[in-house]
Amino acid sequence: EDQVTQSPEALRLQEGESSSLNCSYTVSGLRGLFWYRQDPGKGPEFLFTLYSAGEEKEKERLKATLTKKESFLHITAPKPEDSATYLCAVQGGQGAQKLVFGQGTRLTINP
Amino acid sequence: GAVVSQHPSRVICKSGTSVKIECRSLDFQATTMFWYRQFPKQSLMLMATSNEGSKATYEQGVEKDKFLINHASLTLSTLTVTSAHPEDSSFYICSAYRKVGTEAFFGQGTRLTVV
Repeated sequence: EDQVTQSPEALRLQEGESSSLNCSYTVSGLRGLFWYRQDPGKGPEFLFTLYSAGEEKEKERLKATLTKKESFLHITAPKPEDSATYLCAVQGGQGAQKLVFGQGTRLTINP
Repeated sequence: GAVVSQHPSRVICKSGTSVKIECRSLDFQATTMFWYRQFPKQSLMLMATSNEGSKATYEQGVEKDKFLINHASLTLSTLTVTSAHPEDSSFYICSAYRKVGTEAFFGQGTRLTVV
C-alpha cells in the first residue's frame, strides 16, 4: 500500500527564515510526486511535479527535490504570504491516476 | 485561472435531505474525475473515482448508496450526498487531469454543513 508521511506537522518561522519540509514515501512504482499548496477553505493549488530521483524544480522562493525515499520542499527567505498548508502526494503504478496524500505541513510565517 | 470549477462553494442543508455538488472541467475533457473528502486539519481522503459513461469506483469504506456519483459528460461529474446527516458535514473536493501523466487540478472545494 502506498504511504506518504510529512513532517513536521506544523512549522512557524520568522519572515526571512529559511527551512525545509519533508515528505517520506513508500510506493509501488513511482509515477510522480506532487507538491500542492492549500489555503484555508480552498482546494489544493499545484506547485511541482517530480518524476525521478535527483530531479529538482524551483519556483520563486520554493525548491522541491526528490530522492528514492523522500522529497523536500525548501523555502528560502519566506514571506507571510507563503503561509499555507503544503501537501505532498504520490501517484504509484498500481492505482492508475490515484493520488495518495500526506497529512500536510501547516506553515506559518510571522512578519 | 481555474481549470476545474466546483459548485456550490458552501451549502447548508437539513438532516435527511440530499445535496448535489457539481465539478466541471473548464477547458478540457476529463474521462476521469476524483472526489475527495477533507476533515479539519486533516489531509485529503479519496472517496471515489468518477468514470465518464460508466459506474464510479468507490474506495473501501465509502458507502456508494450514500454518495452517488454521476459522470454524464466529459466535462461534468456530480456528487450527491443522500439523506445527509451531521456526520456528513465536511469539505468535499474534486479533481481532474488535463492530460494523463501530468498534475491533477483541483476544484475550489464545497463546505457542506448538515444541521
